[in-house]
Amino acid sequence: GAVVSQHPSRVICKSGTSVKIECRSLDFQATTMFWYRQFPKQSLMLMATSNEGSKATYEQGVEKDKFLINHASLTLSTLTVTSAHPEDSSFYICSAVGLLQETQYFGPGTRLLVL
Amino acid sequence: SQQGEEDPQALSIQEGENATMNCSYKTSINNLQWYRQNSGRGLVHLILIRSNEREKHSGRLRVTLDTSKKSSSLLITASRAADTASYFCATDLYGNNRLAFGKGNQVVVIP
Repeated sequence: GAVVSQHPSRVICKSGTSVKIECRSLDFQATTMFWYRQFPKQSLMLMATSNEGSKATYEQGVEKDKFLINHASLTLSTLTVTSAHPEDSSFYICSAVGLLQETQYFGPGTRLLVL
Repeated sequence: SQQGEEDPQALSIQEGENATMNCSYKTSINNLQWYRQNSGRGLVHLILIRSNEREKHSGRLRVTLDTSKKSSSLLITASRAADTASYFCATDLYGNNRLAFGKGNQVVVIP
């Protein structure tokens, strides 16, 4: 089956620093990757859609300068939380979908804690 | 915008019993998907049902879709302790794979 990895699995950082999260599709080429965030005991909220070689499309209310997304290859997308603050603490999950696929394959998530 | 929404109640059942959870949505959909999430982990795709399908089975899972009522149900038969997880339905926003997730249903299966 399709495997998607995320790195790191958890990160603790100081307020004001930037954090980069990687999402990789290990055994298929992901034409599109999605980034979600999830607060404790809540559902997933779609943040942005990342297409290989083009700019990411952000959902309403998501600051593009705050959450920088790069999808440089068909197997890698990165999310950088810039100048992180405690309110950015959350569980960030990526998913990947291949060309003509309907099913999204999710990564294991990255837990971010900003002190 | 549309959003899948499950009934908010958590389920606590004995091993061997069936678990049923529901999901409703607000606008037209191409398909509806169910996912499972173990605590603090990523999501696992369970089943996808298209708008022209009414029922679908996968192992111990049975999903129904009623487009007239804009609702879906997920039934897990003969539950096992390993089925303990949160279950989410998701609908495809605007037909381009942008998923809107419901609130999720916490299912606890007691051995």
